[in-house]
Parts: sequence; structure tokens; C-alpha cells
Amino acid sequence: QVRLQESGPGLVSPSETLSLTCTVSSGSVIGDNYYWTWIRQSPGKGLEWIGCIYYNGGTNFNPSLKSRVTMSVDTSKNQFSLTLTSVTAADTAMYFCAREAGSTAELDYWGQGTLVTVSS
Amino acid sequence: QSALTQPASVSGSPGQSITISCTGTSSDVGTYNLVSWYQQHPGKAPELMIYEDTRRPSGVSNRFSGSKSGNTASLTISGLQAEDEADYYCYSYAGISARVFGGGTRLTVL
Repeated sequence: QVRLQESGPGLVSPSETLSLTCTVSSGSVIGDNYYWTWIRQSPGKGLEWIGCIYYNGGTNFNPSLKSRVTMSVDTSKNQFSLTLTSVTAADTAMYFCAREAGSTAELDYWGQGTLVTVSS
Repeated sequence: QSALTQPASVSGSPGQSITISCTGTSSDVGTYNLVSWYQQHPGKAPELMIYEDTRRPSGVSNRFSGSKSGNTASLTISGLQAEDEADYYCYSYAGISARVFGGGTRLTVL
């Protein structure tokens, strides 16, 4: 059973950079056909796809966030990370990491989520 | 890349069946057989219920089924149970560099 766990600061100041890491256990980020994905959910709102990264570093991002998003993967630590720059209150959300099956595009494993609040 | 359209809410009584629609475009739902559905209980992470439009992961009740016609995918839950009360989201592949969620539907079991 693959497990994912998000980690990172729960509070970020406006205009600063949000950084989160997802640690994968009982599975490998080097898996041949998976996209490692970040999703967020603003309080009381729906799910928003932020983007995904392949184990070789290839990325795809939501066009609405593309200018502020970076993702990376660390195969030695079995982790992948999200960086979101110039945050505002609108970036306050629960952030989930998940695994997307490459050929069938379903999000089959999810982390429990981590709440990030943007506030001074 | 606009969100897929779902009804904000649906409701049904125990034992009844309900259907949640998810309308996209020819750029996503209508082109790829890659719509999946997720159930989310309050305070929890979403859970996969249907993938590839109609396939059910092992462990998911056969009361959940998926279908698609044109640009609209649907999730049907039969024999409603109190534990089915949750939010439901559709999600579609929209090309190598794009994915899109539906706005979500709150299911109330009366």
C-alpha cells in the first residue's frame, strides 16, 4: 500500500514562498508510469489541480499558476516537492499530494493533506 | 482550462439511486476515456471511486458505477446509504499537460 505524507510550514507570510514536500513510502517515485501530483482545496471550496512531475523531472502545471509554481523530485529521498512564490491570502488552502497513474490518469493514492495559511 | 460542470448538490433517500453529472468539452471529457470520480468526507482526503469512465477499483462497492455520453460523464450511486453522504468530484485528463476537476457535488442522504 503506497503512502504519501505532506510536510511543510503551516503558516506563510504574504508575498513569501510556500514550500511543501511529499514523502512516498511503500513505493518508489521512480515507478515507470506515475505522475506525482499536487492538488489544493481552499476552505469550503473544490479541488484544484496544481500540477505534476514525472520521476525524470518533467513537469506539467495548471496555466493559472504556472508563473509561480516549481516542482522537483528527489529520488534518493523518495520525495517530491512544490514551491509556490508570491503567495497571497488566496493561496490559503489544504494542499494534497497524490499519485496519478500515467496511462489511466486516476489519482489512486493521496496524502492526508496539510493546511497552509497565508497571513502576516 | 475551465472546471468541469457538476451540480452543486443532489439528495436522495436511503435505498434510492442518484446520478451526478460532470460536463466538460471535446478537449477533455469528450475526447479521452479518462474521467475518474472521488468521494470526499469532511476533513478527509478524497478517495478514488471510479476511473477510466466506468471502471471500479477493487474494494469500492458495486453500488457505485460510472458512465459517459459525449462530453458528459456521470456517477450513479444505487441503494443509497447514510455513509454515502459526502462531496463528489470528477476529474478528467485533458492532454499531456492538463488535468481538470469538476466543481464538486454535495450529496445529502435524507
